[in-house]
Amino acid sequence: EVQLLESGGGLVQPGGSLRLSCAASGFTFSRYALTWVRQAPGKGLEWVSNIIVSDDLTYYADPVKGRFTISRDNSKNTLYLQMNSLRAEDTAFYYCARLKGVGNYVPFDLWGHGTLVTVSS
Amino acid sequence: DIQMTQSPSTLSASVGDRVTITCRASQSISNRLAWYQQKPGKAPKLLIYKASSLESGVPSRFSGSGSGTEFTLTISSLQPDDFATYYCQQYDYYWTFGQGTKVEIK
Repeated sequence: EVQLLESGGGLVQPGGSLRLSCAASGFTFSRYALTWVRQAPGKGLEWVSNIIVSDDLTYYADPVKGRFTISRDNSKNTLYLQMNSLRAEDTAFYYCARLKGVGNYVPFDLWGHGTLVTVSS
Repeated sequence: DIQMTQSPSTLSASVGDRVTITCRASQSISNRLAWYQQKPGKAPKLLIYKASSLESGVPSRFSGSGSGTEFTLTISSLQPDDFATYYCQQYDYYWTFGQGTKVEIK
């Protein structure tokens, strides 16, 4: 089955760190660019970060630039998001998703179920 | 940054109604526009890409149109499964979502 499965969410104090993982199955992971999108409870979708086939090209939204790092391990079919210096406003469901087809400026055609990150003291 | 503005924010409709949602971009994005459907507690689902291309497996009652800065998503005959929140997304320069349109039962 083609799927993405996030893990690693939880409760963390402001200023703390957390690493999210996204395990892929059912498709050739190394051929696709991947993304993280977040959604604060009851709010809309916010793009967070993208990574192309290798680690050479990454993109970040301004609110997370310098604090979050996206990476991938093609040997493990896994995407990661290292989140440092977490703030209350980072509280959200975090979804990993696959970019559709070849290229970078394309939509997201496969989504995981999401993992909740709560930043609170 | 490219801003995406959807209207309306909430739409009340009945089964069988024709429904139209509008999305406006703050600058031209050609046809690099996608539409997603999200149900409570679930991940978004891609419906439309390149403004008017139907994603595989999506019912033909969904259609998209537009180019440049103005786009629409139309549901030709609303079905019970279609009550959800819909988001547009531009992917011309980085990726930005609209604020969402909730389609609720009238």
